[in-house]
Amino acid sequence: NAGVTQTPKFRILKIGQSMTLQCTQDMNHNYMYWYRQDPGMGLKLIYYSVGAGITDKGEVPNGYNVSRSTTEDFPLRLELAAPSQTSVYFCASSYPGGQFFGPGTRLTVL
Amino acid sequence: AQSVAQPEDQVNVAEGNPLTVKCTYSVSGNPYLFWYVQYPNRGLQFLLKYITGDNLVKGSYGFEAEFNKSQTSFHLKKPSALVSDSALYFCAVGSGNTGKLIFGQGTTLQVKP
Repeated sequence: NAGVTQTPKFRILKIGQSMTLQCTQDMNHNYMYWYRQDPGMGLKLIYYSVGAGITDKGEVPNGYNVSRSTTEDFPLRLELAAPSQTSVYFCASSYPGGQFFGPGTRLTVL
Repeated sequence: AQSVAQPEDQVNVAEGNPLTVKCTYSVSGNPYLFWYVQYPNRGLQFLLKYITGDNLVKGSYGFEAEFNKSQTSFHLKKPSALVSDSALYFCAVGSGNTGKLIFGQGTTLQVKP
């Protein structure tokens, strides 16, 4: 099993550009999550999904969108990138009693 | 509302000495408590969890944590620290059936030779 994979690893965007962060898991987990990690702030939940076709907002959803058409994939969309979205983004999937994390995507918006 | 506090931004300890990384939580209902470790430029790795049962939980790499309901704490401990334990440690709490976790802000552990 590859676990949770994320692409790209790094990306630089200009203000106003859009992009999609990809996340795939091969463990057949129903629950998936997107977090952002800012220095000294821990991880903040952006969106989560409890199964294909079902998504819900977390703590910091503004400026992001998600979809969940399959169990495996949970892409995160940034429509109009802003400097405040400069962060490291982690995707995770959940099994009973814990979460597996992907390696992260480091995004810089200039 | 659920919350997690890690009161120390950084913990410094000498190699071979015992270490403690503190975590307190606030949650309605029964908590699910976790510790994760993050090495530089890596994702989070699971260390241990408390769901129910014995208050002393043993995890990966010789770490353990004690669930204390009266003090609402879940401190991470290790009897003898290694330089390779130096990393960023996160405490997290969950409840309910969505699997969502609330993370503390993290504590940097520095183990010096």
